[in-house]
Amino acid sequence: AQSVTQLGSHVSVSEGALVLLRCNYSSSVPPYLFWYVQYPNQGLQLLLKYTSAATLVKGINGFEAEFKKSETSFHLTKPSAHMSDAAEYFCAVSDTDKLIFGTGTRLQVFP
Amino acid sequence: NAGVTQTPKFQVLKTGQSMTLQCAQDMNHEYMSWYRQDPGMGLRLIHYSVGAGITDQGEVPNGYNVSRSTTEDFPLRLLSAAPSQTSVYFCASRSWTGAFGELFFGEGSRLTVL
Repeated sequence: AQSVTQLGSHVSVSEGALVLLRCNYSSSVPPYLFWYVQYPNQGLQLLLKYTSAATLVKGINGFEAEFKKSETSFHLTKPSAHMSDAAEYFCAVSDTDKLIFGTGTRLQVFP
Repeated sequence: NAGVTQTPKFQVLKTGQSMTLQCAQDMNHEYMSWYRQDPGMGLRLIHYSVGAGITDQGEVPNGYNVSRSTTEDFPLRLLSAAPSQTSVYFCASRSWTGAFGELFFGEGSRLTVL
């Protein structure tokens, strides 16, 4: 079965600093990978997804993620954090009909 | 365009009571699913449906029933609520474009079982 592991349940950065949220996957076949964001008291919304077309995937709000097969990783980055990026971020992998989520990383951004 | 609509947004139940969480989508999506979100555990799939009349179990189906009589609606039933079912529940849908399609989420239903 497919699975993802998110390293770090909480990440804190200063406004303007690099954001790096880590995700490693376990998959026996080439995976479809996703990052979703959840703002307080809302549902999740898609940030970006990897479907094997390109290893560097650009998403909304300046986020991007790089698929690295050798490291089984799909880390999420943003060059410069903004206060509005404070949210919880979920990595997910598609397993046939199901989308399996990681445990989430809460991003705090300090002024 | 309403998207995915969940009702109620908040509910308090006593142990042993039953209730139904409603989910409706107006995007003509074939695929619908229910997740529960608990602190430190992310989102876990309860049940899902790939079309009207078809349902299947996810990771944590025990204590929950679903049915899919129409494309638009996918209610989640708790037959005898337990404190362990205290959680935030999310309904999500997508078109049947394959496993890489985007899931659209409702705003959640917060359930407390006393």
